[in-house]
Amino acid sequence: EDKVVQSPLSLVVHEGDTVTLNCSYEVTNFRSLLWYKQEKKAPTFLFMLTSSGIEKKSGRLSSILDKKELFSILNITATQTGDSAIYLCAVASGANSKLTFGKGITLSVRP
Amino acid sequence: NAGVTQTPKFQVLKTGQSMTLQCAQDMNHNSMYWYRQDPGMGLRLIYYSASEGTTDKGEVPNGYNVSRLNKREFSLRLESAAPSQTSVYFCASSGAGARDEQYFGPGTRLTVT
Repeated sequence: EDKVVQSPLSLVVHEGDTVTLNCSYEVTNFRSLLWYKQEKKAPTFLFMLTSSGIEKKSGRLSSILDKKELFSILNITATQTGDSAIYLCAVASGANSKLTFGKGITLSVRP
Repeated sequence: NAGVTQTPKFQVLKTGQSMTLQCAQDMNHNSMYWYRQDPGMGLRLIYYSASEGTTDKGEVPNGYNVSRLNKREFSLRLESAAPSQTSVYFCASSGAGARDEQYFGPGTRLTVT
């Protein structure tokens, strides 16, 4: 059974801090790893990673994948209150189109 | 281009009542999905449809049925609602190109009393 584990499950930081969110996985026939941000509505796509060691970047957010150690991290620098959200990690595997999601990390950024 | 739409946005049911959640996408995607989200549980797949005419069970299918009406529409039916089905339901779709990236609808908040 495919498994995705995110840590920590929640954290509270102050504006300006840098945070690192972790995602580890155990899946058969890995295809890609995706990060989503969820505020009080639908998840929105952040990154898709397929190759080890290649950093994806969007503004203050960046992510990298390690296929040997089976994990990914999502970094957020100079956090803002608007970064408060649930961050979901998901893995695509096998021949079908399903994603397996982790439980999510609740990030609260205090002013 | 509306993306993925869901109706209704909110619903309250009594135990034993039935209802259908509707989902439609206008992105010409092949695959569609139904998830439920409960606090601290992430997103759990109920059913999915890899292509028009096919449906398969996900992680938590009990108590639900689905219909892939055509390429655009994928509905989720609760035949006899139970309080354990109180949740937020999301529909998603994915297609050609960035195949693994799924696009989500706005969600339906369902309460069963």
